[in-house]
Amino acid sequence: NAGVTQTPKFQVLKTGQSMTLQCAQDMNHEYMSWYRQDPGMGLRLIHYSVGAGITDQGEVPNGYNVSRSTTEDFPLRLLSAAPSQTSVYFCASSYLGTGNYGYTFGSGTRLTVV
Amino acid sequence: EDQVTQSPEALRLQEGESSSLNCSYTVSGLRGLFWYRQDPGKGPEFLFTLYSAGEEKEKERLKATLTKKESFLHITAPKPEDSATYLCAVQARDSGGSNYKLTFGKGTLLTVNP
Repeated sequence: NAGVTQTPKFQVLKTGQSMTLQCAQDMNHEYMSWYRQDPGMGLRLIHYSVGAGITDQGEVPNGYNVSRSTTEDFPLRLLSAAPSQTSVYFCASSYLGTGNYGYTFGSGTRLTVV
Repeated sequence: EDQVTQSPEALRLQEGESSSLNCSYTVSGLRGLFWYRQDPGKGPEFLFTLYSAGEEKEKERLKATLTKKESFLHITAPKPEDSATYLCAVQARDSGGSNYKLTFGKGTLLTVNP
């Protein structure tokens, strides 16, 4: 089982450049989300989706766009990169509904904006 | 606003020295409390979900407990391989898709020396 796959693992961008972080899951999870993790700040929610065609903002959505055209994929787009977006980005997915459903996380993308 | 506070920020133990990590939370109606383990350079790995006060879950040397205001992760006779950052997160009862958002604490860095 691949689980949640994130690409790339590392990326360096110049200020003002745009890019897309890819996230794919093969577990047929309805719920997908993007978090950023910064030292001393913990994991903060950027955007999330409860199914294809449905997305919503989290705690820190500014500067990021998402779309969900399929159940499997949930790409995160940085529109115009800024040094404040230097972070480690994690994609996570889960079933919806009741039950002992923890999130499954990807291995992360470490992004540096110079 | 949901809040999660973990203590201590860092804990150093000798192999075999049992201890507990604390997670205190404020949430407008708890749907679930989650514990994760995160190794350096990797995504968080799901450990437990707790749903109601008085509930306990166990896995190997780890036991998680829940009260109305906090959760404890008890580590019995830890080994060096238990060294990691342990994250606590809450999921609030909310309307619509935001039911599934997790709010994370900043984590406790556990180091177990041989």
